[in-house]
Amino acid sequence: KQEVTQIPAALSVPEGENLVLNCSFTDSAIYNLQWFRQDPGKGLTSLLLIQSSQREQTSGRLNASLDKSSGRSTLYIAASQPGDSATYLCAPEDSSYKLIFGSGTRLLVRP
Amino acid sequence: NAGVTQTPKFRVLKTGQSMTLLCAQDMNHEYMYWYRQDPGMGLRLIHYSVGEGTTAKGEVPDGYNVSRLKKQNFLLGLESAAPSQTSVYFCASNEVEANYGYTFGSGTRLTVV
Repeated sequence: KQEVTQIPAALSVPEGENLVLNCSFTDSAIYNLQWFRQDPGKGLTSLLLIQSSQREQTSGRLNASLDKSSGRSTLYIAASQPGDSATYLCAPEDSSYKLIFGSGTRLLVRP
Repeated sequence: NAGVTQTPKFRVLKTGQSMTLLCAQDMNHEYMYWYRQDPGMGLRLIHYSVGEGTTAKGEVPDGYNVSRLKKQNFLLGLESAAPSQTSVYFCASNEVEANYGYTFGSGTRLTVV
């Protein structure tokens, strides 16, 4: 059974810092991996999709990398802003086209 | 706007009552999913569908039933609600062939008292 772990569980940083969120998964036989953002009481917003043949994806200040063989993905946020405060969820896609979620990293960016 | 729409957004049920949550998508996606999210936990898969007329069990299917009579709709039913089913429910859809990733609805917050 796929297990997804996200470290740290919570993070508080001052505005402007560069930060890294980590995601590890136990079964390396995945297809894609998707990173989501969730604001309190809201739904999931897709941030980045790393397709099975890719090793990283970039969107603005966000960069996500994927190493299937080691079961790891990282989300890098450059020059963090208070508006980045949210919970970030990592979700690898298993061989039956289902997303498996970690518990998330709760990020607070202080002004 | 194209996307996944969930109704209702909020609902309070008494123990033993039944209800149906509706998920509708207008992107012609084949795959649809129901997840639940509890405090401090990630999303867990309840049931999913790989196409019209199909359903399959996920990680936590007990106490729920689903139907996919039309491609664009995926219904989640609770026949006899229990307090343990208090949760936020999310629907998602995906088109495997297009490989653009999953789209989620905004959620239904259900409280069973």
